[in-house]
Amino acid sequence: GIQVEQSPPDLILQEGANSTLRCNFSDSVNNLQWFHQNPWGQLINLFYIPSGTKQNGRLSATTVATERYSLLYISSSQTTDSGVYFCAVERPIGTGTASKLTFGTGTRLQVTL
Amino acid sequence: KAGVTQTPRYLIKTRGQQVTLSCSPISGHRSVSWYQQTPGQGLQFLFEYFSETQRNKGNFPGRFSGRQFSNSRSEMNVSTLELGDSALYLCASSLAGRPYEQYFGPGTRLTVT
Repeated sequence: GIQVEQSPPDLILQEGANSTLRCNFSDSVNNLQWFHQNPWGQLINLFYIPSGTKQNGRLSATTVATERYSLLYISSSQTTDSGVYFCAVERPIGTGTASKLTFGTGTRLQVTL
Repeated sequence: KAGVTQTPRYLIKTRGQQVTLSCSPISGHRSVSWYQQTPGQGLQFLFEYFSETQRNKGNFPGRFSGRQFSNSRSEMNVSTLELGDSALYLCASSLAGRPYEQYFGPGTRLTVT
């Protein structure tokens, strides 16, 4: 199956700093999503970005599908940004319409004062 | 529009028992997927249902099963619980077809003692 690698595994930042999280995947995909898992376990949708660039406030993401990677940028980090960030991808499954997300192992971000 | 809901949120069971978890998708979403999250294995796909039919299944033993009702609500069942089944179980919903952005519920945290 497809492999999804995220880096770095852990990241500690001071409030106000910027960061870049990376997601590499081993095969072509037709769906890529970034999530933030809050302390209670819920996955919060950040971006649906199989290709191109999107921005939402202090967050932005870029996926270069031909080179099989995606980047999540966090600018002016805040303590509320702390948590685990997951990248998840989906590959076409035959000719059917079944769906399945494969997750990376996540980047654990801690933002300190 | 209400998000994905899951019940119960927390559950404690004894080895050998069975458990049923419930998921109500976002209104209009017809695809429901289930994922298991553990510290050792990360987030893993269990199965996906669409129009009351299982379209895709992950690599889990037959003790894990599910179903979907005509109103798109879904249940998953785990029989003969083992200690290793302790996990956060997450449900996601998306529009019909693929690929579409998946939205996750808050999860059910199952503890097996």
